[in-house]
Amino acid sequence: DAKTTQPNSMESNEEEPVHLPCNHSTISGTDYIHWYRQLPSQGPEYVIHGLTSNVNNRMASLAIAEDRKSSTLILHRATLRDAAVYYCILRENSGGSNYKLTFGKGTLLTVNP
Amino acid sequence: EPEVTQTPSHQVTQMGQEVILRCVPISNHLYFYWYRQILGQKVEFLVSFYNNEISEKSEIFDDQFSVERPDGSNFTLKIRSTKLEDSAMYFCASSGRQGARSEQYFGPGTRLTVT
Repeated sequence: DAKTTQPNSMESNEEEPVHLPCNHSTISGTDYIHWYRQLPSQGPEYVIHGLTSNVNNRMASLAIAEDRKSSTLILHRATLRDAAVYYCILRENSGGSNYKLTFGKGTLLTVNP
Repeated sequence: EPEVTQTPSHQVTQMGQEVILRCVPISNHLYFYWYRQILGQKVEFLVSFYNNEISEKSEIFDDQFSVERPDGSNFTLKIRSTKLEDSAMYFCASSGRQGARSEQYFGPGTRLTVT
């Protein structure tokens, strides 16, 4: 899987929006951008994914740069429950190795009350 | 909402003993995975499983590890002779479809402690 770069940590205040950046300058044209998060002492949790267009779901929004070399996960109103490690993961759209998820260190998001 | 379940939540074993970690994937899912996370480190892929066969395995998944789907609901990871370095959280995941667009749903994990 292509490499992603994320800040080690970020802080936010409760009920404010949070923008979590991810750089993936070596992304290929068919790689999907996935975001997962891991709350303390829990398993990873799927958040959202996209290819080229911005995506919204009940958990978050994903904004993808026009050149696809970066993306931003947007939490519209952070809650204390959103405190977690957020992982940006690229997945190749080809056979074989696209079964697995390759996790990096992610961004540790702290939400202040 | 359907979820992946894992048992036990915590397993303590002595070095050299065999352990079996159990998972019940989401019922209509066909693709199954095991990952592990050593304390303070990244989540690492171990193995993927589809149609009663291993699809892919990592270098970590050596001859000491095996997976099985013994019936229509359970998915197990066996470690034949545990080592101290096998101490970790083990996460099972399942997916309803394959490919780069597929989401994986993770269980809460089993904490394995090898003494």
